[in-house]
Amino acid sequence: EIVLTQSPGTLSLSPGERATLSCRASQSVNTNYFDWYQQKPGQAPRLLIYGSSIRATGVPDRFSGSGSGTDFTLTISRLEPEDFAVYYCERYDSSSLSFGGGTKVEI
Amino acid sequence: QLQLHESRPGLVKPSETLSLTCSVSGGSISGYYWGWIRQTPGAGLEWIATMLYSGTTYYNPSLKSRVTISVDTSNNQFSLKLTSVTAADTGVYYCARRRQAGSSWIFDYWGQGTLVTVSS
Repeated sequence: EIVLTQSPGTLSLSPGERATLSCRASQSVNTNYFDWYQQKPGQAPRLLIYGSSIRATGVPDRFSGSGSGTDFTLTISRLEPEDFAVYYCERYDSSSLSFGGGTKVEI
Repeated sequence: QLQLHESRPGLVKPSETLSLTCSVSGGSISGYYWGWIRQTPGAGLEWIATMLYSGTTYYNPSLKSRVTISVDTSNNQFSLKLTSVTAADTGVYYCARRRQAGSSWIFDYWGQGTLVTVSS
């Protein structure tokens, strides 16, 4: 099984700052099959980015995804108050799907 | 607007079977894949299984021996059964729709989640 390791575990920033979240895979991942989710307390995960870099419907353009192979990045260009949440990376293939452990973005 | 709603089994005793149903409203279950994902204190977010409305299923290898998912197109719902539960199965269980988006596959609609506690 491919293991996803997210770093840092917690990111302490202020509104208006830039956030850079990392996700490293234990094996190479197809860029079409790599996603990022946002989760707020008491809510289900919300798809932000799919195919490594494609924003899901309704996602603001301050969110961007990049990467390939084993290293992927989610960037939030200017943090808004509603962006403080936990972010998860996810990969899948024809037979399995796994999530990273999450990065908490806090004020 | 598509909505998914998980049933609420609440408390399940160790070694018993967890049964959950996801009711889909605002759209048809036909034509799509549907999945179960859980979030536990031990494993975090964990994919359980995905199935096509017509019955093709895909299971997380680590849970496969204990999991069965099924679909009821007449009632627009799908179900999860997890046998021989332990405390490690305690967590929030989500149902979600999976669909193709270009060259990718995405979970685009999720239920609100239902908390399952395994305890005697």
